[in-house]
Amino acid sequence: EAGVTQFPSHSVIEKGQTVTLRCDPISGHDNLYWYRRVMGKEIKFLLHFVKESKQDESGMPNNRFLAERTGGTYSTLKVQPAELEDSGVYFCASSQDSDRRRSGANVLTFGAGSRLTVL
Amino acid sequence: GNSVTQMEGPVTLSEEAFLTINCTYTATGYPSLFWYVQYPGEGLQLLLKATKADDKGSNKGFEATYRKETTSFHLEKGSVQVSDSAVYFCALSDPYNQGGKLIFGQGTELSVKP
Repeated sequence: EAGVTQFPSHSVIEKGQTVTLRCDPISGHDNLYWYRRVMGKEIKFLLHFVKESKQDESGMPNNRFLAERTGGTYSTLKVQPAELEDSGVYFCASSQDSDRRRSGANVLTFGAGSRLTVL
Repeated sequence: GNSVTQMEGPVTLSEEAFLTINCTYTATGYPSLFWYVQYPGEGLQLLLKATKADDKGSNKGFEATYRKETTSFHLEKGSVQVSDSAVYFCALSDPYNQGGKLIFGQGTELSVKP
């Protein structure tokens, strides 16, 4: 089974530009999450989709960030305009509720991450 | 609010040394606890988990026991290898959030020398 794939693996942009990150979850996974790790700090939750609906977007830093999941398959995270403090690694993860019911815990499968550098 | 605190790195060990990475948490209720690992150039992978008090998670020679009395989930391995060099993250799942949101610690970088 293919894992969670993210694109691009690394993006370098100038302050004020726009970047769009893409995540393809594991096929059939209804839950899709975005996380971010800023330079050596903890990995912080950004938002959670269930299919195409935003279940929880409490972690989105501000309105420069826009996440979409049209059709409930892949998701995009757009940053516009990018600021220096947006630099970091953006992780996507997916999970399936049936796995949680079976194992008793919501086990997320993560992608390799997209490293964003804003200059 | 809920939080996870890990020992700071980097941790440098010689091959075959004993490893402990401390993790403590703050949570209301009864969270599930996890250790994730990120090898160089790869994504986060689940290493082990425990869903209730006194459970022991284990995988690849690593172990961690869910200690409710000390709110801890320390990661241990009896004999580390060079291939264990990675960043290790302790995490909990919010018991009051059915969305399964994970709360992570800041990560501990482990470097194992031959």
